[in-house]
Amino acid sequence: AQSVTQLDSQVPVFEEAPVELRCNYSSSVSVYLFWYVQYPNQGLQLLLKYLSGSTLVKGINGFEAEFNKSQTSFHLRKPSVHISDTAEYFCAVSDLSNYQLIWGAGTKLIIKP
Amino acid sequence: NAGVTQTPKFQVLKTGQSMTLQCAQDMNHNSMYWYRQDPGMGLRLIYYSASEGTTDKGEVPNGYNVSRLNKREFSLRLESAAPSQTSVYFCASSNPGTSYNNEQFFGPGTRLTVL
Repeated sequence: AQSVTQLDSQVPVFEEAPVELRCNYSSSVSVYLFWYVQYPNQGLQLLLKYLSGSTLVKGINGFEAEFNKSQTSFHLRKPSVHISDTAEYFCAVSDLSNYQLIWGAGTKLIIKP
Repeated sequence: NAGVTQTPKFQVLKTGQSMTLQCAQDMNHNSMYWYRQDPGMGLRLIYYSASEGTTDKGEVPNGYNVSRLNKREFSLRLESAAPSQTSVYFCASSNPGTSYNNEQFFGPGTRLTVL
């Protein structure tokens, strides 16, 4: 069965510094990949998604992620974070044959002033 | 276009009480989901409905029931609430097989406390 691992439960980073949030999934079959963001006391919203094509995917708020099939990874990056990026970030995977999403445990991004 | 709406936003129950969480979507999506979110555990699927008229258990169905009332609405019922069901509940919808490709759209959540 598919599984998703977000390697860091919390990532503290100084404002204006770069950040990488890591996500690995278990299966090497073709997949759809998603990053969602949850701001404090809110629901989840889509940040970006990989369906096919270019392995570098750009999302909202300056975030991007790179799909690496050989390493089964989909790490999220931002070159310069802002205090407004404080949130929890979730990685999710879907097999092409199954519409359900398998979720990682989440990574809290903590921005230090 | 409201997307996915959930009611209520907050609820406090006593152990043993029952309640129904309501969810509706106006995006004409076929599939709907109920998740619970607990600290450090991410999202766990309680029940889902692949299409109108069908429901299936997810990862943590015990203590819950669901009803897919029509294509728009998907309710979650707690028959006899327990403190272990204290959580934030999210409803989501998707339209697999379309250009959205399994992307799920979420409601704002219901924060439930069981005393």
